[in-house]
Formats: sequence, C-alpha cells, structure tokens
Amino acid sequence: GAGVSQSPSNKVTEKGKDVELRCDPISGHTALYWYRQSLGQGLEFLIYFQGNSAPDKSGLPSDRFSAERTGGSVSTLTIQRTQQEDSAVYLCASSGRQRGLNYGYTFGSGTRLTVV
Amino acid sequence: LAKTTQPISMDSYEGQEVNITCSHNNIATNDYITWYQQFPSQGPRFIIQGYKTKVTNEVASLFIPADRKSSTLSLPRVSLSDTAVYYCLVGIMNRDDKIIFGKGTRLHILP
Repeated sequence: GAGVSQSPSNKVTEKGKDVELRCDPISGHTALYWYRQSLGQGLEFLIYFQGNSAPDKSGLPSDRFSAERTGGSVSTLTIQRTQQEDSAVYLCASSGRQRGLNYGYTFGSGTRLTVV
Repeated sequence: LAKTTQPISMDSYEGQEVNITCSHNNIATNDYITWYQQFPSQGPRFIIQGYKTKVTNEVASLFIPADRKSSTLSLPRVSLSDTAVYYCLVGIMNRDDKIIFGKGTRLHILP
C-alpha cells in the first residue's frame, strides 16, 4: 500500500481481555517495528522484525505481549490479559530504501488502546 | 545508534524562525542525522536528513557543523500548525536498523 496501515484505530477493552492489533506495512519494506506511546511520553520500542531473521523482542515489557509477522508482511501485536497500564497508542513503522534517503521509516497512525 | 540530547520543550511565536539543536557527541563516521516530526494523535513523520554542512527542503533546513557533534533543525516562519514534537535521530541509516527514539523537543507555537 501507499502507507503503513494500522487497525483498529481505536480499541476499548475490559481489563483481563486479550487484544490483537494489526499492522500492514508498505509493500516491499523488509523491516517492521512496533512502538508504544503513553500520553505525553516518548516512543517506547517494543519489537523489531527484519526479513526472515529472528525478531528483536528486547522491548516487550512482559510475557503478556507477543507479536508475529506472517509472510514477511502483515504483523499482529497481541496483548494477553490486558491491564490498565497497557493503555497507550501503539505505533507501527516499516522501513526500506527510499529514493533520496539512506532508508526512511514510515509510521502508521497508531491504535489507541484503552483498558477499562 | 548514537545518543542524542535535545531540549525538552521550546516556545515560539508565529512568523518566527525556530532553531532546535541536537547534541550527538559520539556520532560515528557512517552515521546520518535524521529529524522526525510528530503531531498529536499521529505517528512520527520524516522531515529531513543530512550528513554534513547544510541540507534544505521545502519544510526545513538542517545545519551540521564540521565536527558533526551537533545539528540544528531550522524551521522558517513557523505557524501554529508547526506545534509538534521533534525527534533527532543519529545512525547509520543505510540498512534497516532498530531505532530508539529519545523524548524529543516539544515545540509550542503561540499566536
């Protein structure tokens, strides 16, 4: 697609429920990233996929968080047994060589997750 | 990626030129300097990238001194719509690499 697409744009869930967030990266981009941003805070790195390599999961805050990337394209971030502190905007980005740049990172608009 | 330091926040007025400086003392030879802009409720978006001296595009200019240990993002004649958070990133950028964002500079433009 022309940009990075994330769905849903907003999600309200009850504490303890599982949620799945989806990211559809730019076609041909080999790298995909997930970040979390709490209100008024900076971007917190969560996980990074690069091609067929094992993902870098060093930013996942707990074992309730997991992510997969199927076929080197679409990625799903899953949060199990959601807690109120999971409330944040979850941003996805993809990267690849772009004209005029030594690689550029394109972000989606994010999924705003609210745990009540 | 090289560690960066930038002011937490800045205020300016419409029509003024705004300069945001980022320090990156341990920048490596192959590192590029890239700035991103983030509006509320949106993901960051690329503004400008440079290696040395000066780069200018339709949005901003980027000034990089000879030692490359700092860089200055210059926004000409800002408007209220330039209110955003601005992030400075330093890295090799010639391959897909994990990017760690700092806290950025929160720019507030006043009427």
